[in-house]
Order: sequence, then structure tokens, then C-alpha cells
Amino acid sequence: QQPVQSPQAVILREGEDAVINCSSSKALYSVHWYRQKHGEAPVFLMILLKGGEQKGHEKISASFNEKKQQSSLYLTASQLSYSGTYFCGTGNTGTASKLTFGTGTRLQVTL
Amino acid sequence: GAVVSQHPSRVICKSGTSVKIECRSLDFQATTMFWYRQFPKQSLMLMATSNEGSKATYEQGVEKDKFLINHASLTLSTLTVTSAHPEDSSFYICSAAPGQRNYEQYFGPGTRLTVT
Repeated sequence: QQPVQSPQAVILREGEDAVINCSSSKALYSVHWYRQKHGEAPVFLMILLKGGEQKGHEKISASFNEKKQQSSLYLTASQLSYSGTYFCGTGNTGTASKLTFGTGTRLQVTL
Repeated sequence: GAVVSQHPSRVICKSGTSVKIECRSLDFQATTMFWYRQFPKQSLMLMATSNEGSKATYEQGVEKDKFLINHASLTLSTLTVTSAHPEDSSFYICSAAPGQRNYEQYFGPGTRLTVT
């Protein structure tokens, strides 16, 4: 079953923060976050592995709660370039497992 | 690093013809490649998993004879849409998993297929 992301869509003003959630009904080994702009392929943001770690670089970070089978992506001080659709992809094993992509969250950052 | 290319980026073909899409990992070896399909404003749906030197594993509901996948080398996988029909029009995206960090996946730029 496809992971559910929330919110479905969000509009921000430049400089505001956002949180995108990804919830799975299955046990997870990894959560991958991607951003996709219209007509382009998804761009890898980060991966979180089983262990409940938190990762981040600059203004984008993420957490992974394996017990709750959830992950959250945190965008701080958003920039116009952050606009796009964000997908989480969940993996169930440690090897090159297929990813099941979430429902997606459309993010629009305005001036 | 971790660059994946796809060719062609766009293709228009007539109904009944076949189209081949190539996916290459440019700076790493990929023992596993994945093929996805995406309809407008929807999420990515996995079609099949391709392992070098072996037959592809197709997801439920994906026709093996219609979507032929060949993973000929550690850097190349191809998807052939046979006897294409308008309903096959979609955005096809491949991804590749590096051999040493094979829980990561890197996506190609995608191929927009339009069948007329």
C-alpha cells in the first residue's frame, strides 16, 4: 500500500517553514526523500535508514521514527527554489529494494 | 557523482510501433535498475526491477510481453514498449542503485512518450 503524505499541498511565503509527513502501514528499513519539479525527474534529497536517525543539511532536514513507521521532512526559511512536489519513497529491506512512493505533497513558495 | 541518463528525453510514435528507452549509469556501476511510470499529477509507480544478467521482476499488473526490459551490463538497462497504444503515453523514469550503496537510488531525467 502506498505511503500517505500530508499535507497534500501547501503554499508558503518565502522564508516560512514547512513540515511534510510520510506515514507507512508497513515496517520500514529506509525512507528516501525526493523533490520533483514539473516535467522533470525526481531529485534525491536524502535517505534515512532504520535506527530512528535524523539528518539534515542547511535548511532541509528529516527524521525517521521506525516504530511509528513515519518520517518527516523539515524545510526551514523556504526559498523559491523549494517549490515542487515532494515524494517520500519507502524501502522494506537493506539491499537494493524497490521503493514505494508516497502520495506526494505539492509545495509552492511565493514572494 | 551518481549520474543517470536516459535516452530519448521525448518520443512520439504511432500506435502499433515499438519504442526503446535506454537508461545508463554514467559514473557508477548499477547492479540493480528500476523502471517507473508516472501519470500527470500522480506519484511514481514501479513497473519492474532489473538486475544485471537476469530476468526482470515485474510488478503485479505490468505486462511482461508489452514492456520488455533488458539489463545487458552494469551500466545499461533498456525498456522497450512493444506495440504501443495511446494509453501507454506517459512519463517513464528509470533509477539505478550503486553497487556499494545499493539502498540508494538515483533517477534519470525521464522519457516522455506520446503515442498517437
